[in-house]
Amino acid sequence: GQNIDQPTEMTATEGAIVQINCTYQTSGFNGLFWYQQHAGEAPTFLSYNVLDGLEEKGRFSSFLSRSKGYSYLLLKELQMKDSASYLCAASPPESNYQLIWGAGTKLIIKP
Amino acid sequence: DAGVIQSPRHEVTEMGQEVTLRCKPISGHDYLFWYRQTMMRGLELLIYFNNNVPIDDSGMPEDRFSAKMPNASFSTLKIQPSEPRDSAVYFCASSLFSGAGETQYFGPGTRLLVL
Repeated sequence: GQNIDQPTEMTATEGAIVQINCTYQTSGFNGLFWYQQHAGEAPTFLSYNVLDGLEEKGRFSSFLSRSKGYSYLLLKELQMKDSASYLCAASPPESNYQLIWGAGTKLIIKP
Repeated sequence: DAGVIQSPRHEVTEMGQEVTLRCKPISGHDYLFWYRQTMMRGLELLIYFNNNVPIDDSGMPEDRFSAKMPNASFSTLKIQPSEPRDSAVYFCASSLFSGAGETQYFGPGTRLLVL
């Protein structure tokens, strides 16, 4: 079957670092997306990983291990505005464009 | 660009009524997606279009749901008759083309409440 797992909720402190994990099992795999969704708003694109390794974009970094079916999103120097849900989604082979979405991880930032 | 536009932003209706949700994708995008998001089921793909043609509607819950895309700049999702279990946020998204890693851009969503 096809499945994506991520923690339901995480709490972190302003200024700290937090890592949000995502594991996936899909029949075929091209890459993995991370989206951010603030409460009451639409998901917005954060990153897309195809190759193994870490990709850094400012305070946010995303990691992928294809052999382990594992990804994480790393947020540094946390700010209150980072409080949001973070969704990972697997991109299947091109013949089937339907992304496989995780349920999202709600990140709560405390002062 | 104005981004993906959806209307209405909020809709409250009574069970049995017809509901029509509207979407204008980003100009030049070939793909349009309709999603539904609930706390229980997360984000679910209902249907997607390529160049105005429906490609995969396997996510449409049942015959009460229908979607059309009469031209490249407009799509509708209709629920008739609506039921309380249809209450959710409905998102429209578009992408430039279908390639692995192509980013989908979401509209602000329509919050539907069926009483």
